[in-house]
Amino acid sequence: ETGVTQTPRHLVMGMTNKKSLKCEQHLGHNAMYWYKQSAKKPLELMFVYNFKEQTENNSVPSRFSPECPNSSHLFLHLHTLQPEDSALYLCASSQGLGMGEQFFGPGTRLTVL
Amino acid sequence: GENVEQHPSTLSVQEGDSAVIKCTYSDSASNYFPWYKQELGKGPQLIIDIRSNVGEKKDQRIAVTLNKTAKHFSLHITETQPEDSAVYFCAASGNAGGTSYGKLTFGQGTILTVHP
Repeated sequence: ETGVTQTPRHLVMGMTNKKSLKCEQHLGHNAMYWYKQSAKKPLELMFVYNFKEQTENNSVPSRFSPECPNSSHLFLHLHTLQPEDSALYLCASSQGLGMGEQFFGPGTRLTVL
Repeated sequence: GENVEQHPSTLSVQEGDSAVIKCTYSDSASNYFPWYKQELGKGPQLIIDIRSNVGEKKDQRIAVTLNKTAKHFSLHITETQPEDSAVYFCAASGNAGGTSYGKLTFGQGTILTVHP
């Protein structure tokens, strides 16, 4: 295990639902990231947090709303999603922003009906 | 911003053969180049990385080479084994103060299959 956990592992939701993805890291890291992984596309960086402060929003639609209450926890709140938002959502953490290795969680497989 | 191209998209080898995956990047300010391995049902895991002040790095059967002038870097796996079968991603990120600082830009991935 990498020390980064994500729940749930699988999620099916309708376009009108509201759900949240949770990420927790047990590594004492200060930076956390959300990535989207779609079939046949590279991993896309969505959000970056450093010491609980958002430092990057990679032009992500407002139907994705991140929250970082502390350096160990990261949430992604989802509402009124579209079928094209179906993907694997990966959380990662690193010691600090730009400091080497990012450790990834196993991801949440999201299906939007 | 940074753009990373990775080739080939699929690679099939016999056990014991070598495998080479190549990546090119666009931002000359990039200075950190990791390689990740992703197995089914898991997140990507770092297998080796290299910084721009080094031309080559080796760890047992895995090696990475970097050519900063040409802006390309490669992953070499020797004596491949069936457990090497996975998706491999290259990535690049840049210096403090640059637009790609702390942000990994990934290649499209290579599906490596090692046949027993």
